[in-house]
Amino acid sequence: AQSVSQHNHHVILSEAASLELGCNYSYGGTVNLFWYVQYPGQHLQLLLKYFSGDPLVKGIKGFEAEFIKSKFSFNLRKPSVQWSDTAEYFCAVNARGNAGKSTFGDGTTLTVKP
Amino acid sequence: DTAVSQTPKYLVTQMGNDKSIKCEQNLGHDTMYWYKQDSKKFLKIMFSYNNKELIINETVPNRFSPKSPDKAHLNLHINSLELGDSAVYFCASTESAETYYGYTFGSGTRLTVV
Repeated sequence: AQSVSQHNHHVILSEAASLELGCNYSYGGTVNLFWYVQYPGQHLQLLLKYFSGDPLVKGIKGFEAEFIKSKFSFNLRKPSVQWSDTAEYFCAVNARGNAGKSTFGDGTTLTVKP
Repeated sequence: DTAVSQTPKYLVTQMGNDKSIKCEQNLGHDTMYWYKQDSKKFLKIMFSYNNKELIINETVPNRFSPKSPDKAHLNLHINSLELGDSAVYFCASTESAETYYGYTFGSGTRLTVV
């Protein structure tokens, strides 16, 4: 079974600071990787995803993530955060051929101070 | 047009009652899911249907019963509600469990059992 670990539970940044949220997964086979964002009081939205190819993937709103296979990691980055990025961020992993079943990390709460 | 819609948005009910949550998607997706998000924001998969067929059935009390009358609808019925059932329930869909590209989530149903 796969598992996902997000190391930062709560991150507080000032506007314009750079962001990196850690995500590590545990699974021996091929995986698809995702980051979702949940703004306060809203549903989860897909930020970006990795399936294959270039390990650096770009998503919406200036976010990017890098898949490092040797480290089983898929960290989320943004060079300059905005107050509107305040949200809960979830990393998720899906084992290929597993009927779309995703395992989510515990989430990281990002607070951006204006 | 809302892609994945859930009703009701809020549900407050007493212990022991039976309640249903409805989900509809207009994306033409084949596969739908129910996820439970607890008070610590942890997301756990409950069920999945692919074109009306149950394909994922996690370890969930049998008081929870999903029903999919057609591939655009997935309902969740809960019998004999307990305090521990209080959570936010998210419906999600994807094009196909075989070619899984990430979820489109509904806005969630916040269930409070008193």
